[in-house]
Amino acid sequence: DAMVIQNPRYQVTQFGKPVTLSCSQTLNHNVMYWYQQKSSQAPKLLFHYYDKDFNNEADTPDNFQSRRPNTSFCFLDIRSPGLGDAAMYLCATSRDRGGEQYFGPGTRLTVT
Amino acid sequence: DAKTTQPPSMDCAEGRAANLPCNHSTISGNEYVYWYRQIHSQGPQYIIHGLKNNETNEMASLIITEDRKSSTLILPHATLRDTAVYYCIGPPDPYSGGGADGLTFGKGTHLIIQP
Repeated sequence: DAMVIQNPRYQVTQFGKPVTLSCSQTLNHNVMYWYQQKSSQAPKLLFHYYDKDFNNEADTPDNFQSRRPNTSFCFLDIRSPGLGDAAMYLCATSRDRGGEQYFGPGTRLTVT
Repeated sequence: DAKTTQPPSMDCAEGRAANLPCNHSTISGNEYVYWYRQIHSQGPQYIIHGLKNNETNEMASLIITEDRKSSTLILPHATLRDTAVYYCIGPPDPYSGGGADGLTFGKGTHLIIQP
């Protein structure tokens, strides 16, 4: 019974072609997060939603946007992917601020 | 923010206890320490967290020193499936643009369980 679901697991996009990654959760958690993890590096927080309140990390490029239309779903939009955006993108949730986070399996993005 | 320091890698024999240390000397009195692990090609997995008392759950035990400057994660009977990168994470950075909610991952400890 998956709790944090990410689709697709693998995504290939072309340089400059917009791409959207999706995340859904069955936990009814208030907070949803997006992390980027490049090869051999630790995950890095891009932004998060506390309910409908969007919080962007200071160094997240403008090329990355997010939408949370309801409690269950959150989307990561990359407006013009570059080769450097190839990475694993991880979605996570937590019941409330500061609590333990539950991660999805990730979407591995390849940019050609 | 409270930074953490971990050894880059450790080996442990299958069936033995794996003891993973973490230094968090700048942690303040009301800040929790969290442990996560990431098995290859999977998302990180929450393991355990603690404030000042030792904690135990079905996955692991967490021993926190009395001065709270360091902690040790103990996997009592390591199996091959415990091979992963283990992250000791202090409290979020309240001065980051996103506020005090996200996790700041360090480099972690790559634990390799040997058969």
